[in-house]
Amino acid sequence: QKEVEQDPGPLSVPEGAIVSLNCTYSNSAFQYFMWYRQYSRKGPELLMYTYSSGNKEDGRFTAQVDKSSKYISLFIRDSQPSDSATYLCAMGPGGFKTIFGAGTRLFVKA
Amino acid sequence: GAGVSQSPRYKVAKRGQDVALRCDPISGHVSLFWYQQALGQGPEFLTYFQNEAQLDKSGLPSDRFFAERPEGSVSTLKIQRTQQEDSAVYLCASSSTGDEQYFGPGTRLTVT
Repeated sequence: QKEVEQDPGPLSVPEGAIVSLNCTYSNSAFQYFMWYRQYSRKGPELLMYTYSSGNKEDGRFTAQVDKSSKYISLFIRDSQPSDSATYLCAMGPGGFKTIFGAGTRLFVKA
Repeated sequence: GAGVSQSPRYKVAKRGQDVALRCDPISGHVSLFWYQQALGQGPEFLTYFQNEAQLDKSGLPSDRFFAERPEGSVSTLKIQRTQQEDSAVYLCASSSTGDEQYFGPGTRLTVT
């Protein structure tokens, strides 16, 4: 079993929909949680960074961390075709060791 | 400002050849990471530098893989005697904190 599990999708939604992306993990030592967006043939781009449990909002993006359930989520409001990409969750205990999920492919249809 | 840059962007190597992949981190970032990303997968950690010190190389798949960062800035990932299973995208990331990592565009290596 992988330390970080992420449904690869693909997930297809109409423009304007609310998107929910999720990851589960098994290592209770993880303290730092991140979401990256990766367009085809590009490097991952940091979207959200949170420490420990709770919510964080940035524009149309909201990240949630539930450490008791070992479950993290990324919500995208008013999704746009330009949001079509692969979304990677990433996490670690702190310092430098970061474990990535396999990524969820998202398609937002105009 | 300038982000992380990597070169070459694409590399085709014949099986058995040696390759060298370069990473220029964001200026002032002390932490530098190398990852390997297979098709349809997330990045897998290879190695980590803090300045010129390689603090963790536990992710390097074999002794054919070698990384260096001699002056604490530019880093090179070298793969000797390439094999087909080495075909992947090699990503470099840098960070000032260690947790928030900023990635380059990657080098796509194809071994034929």
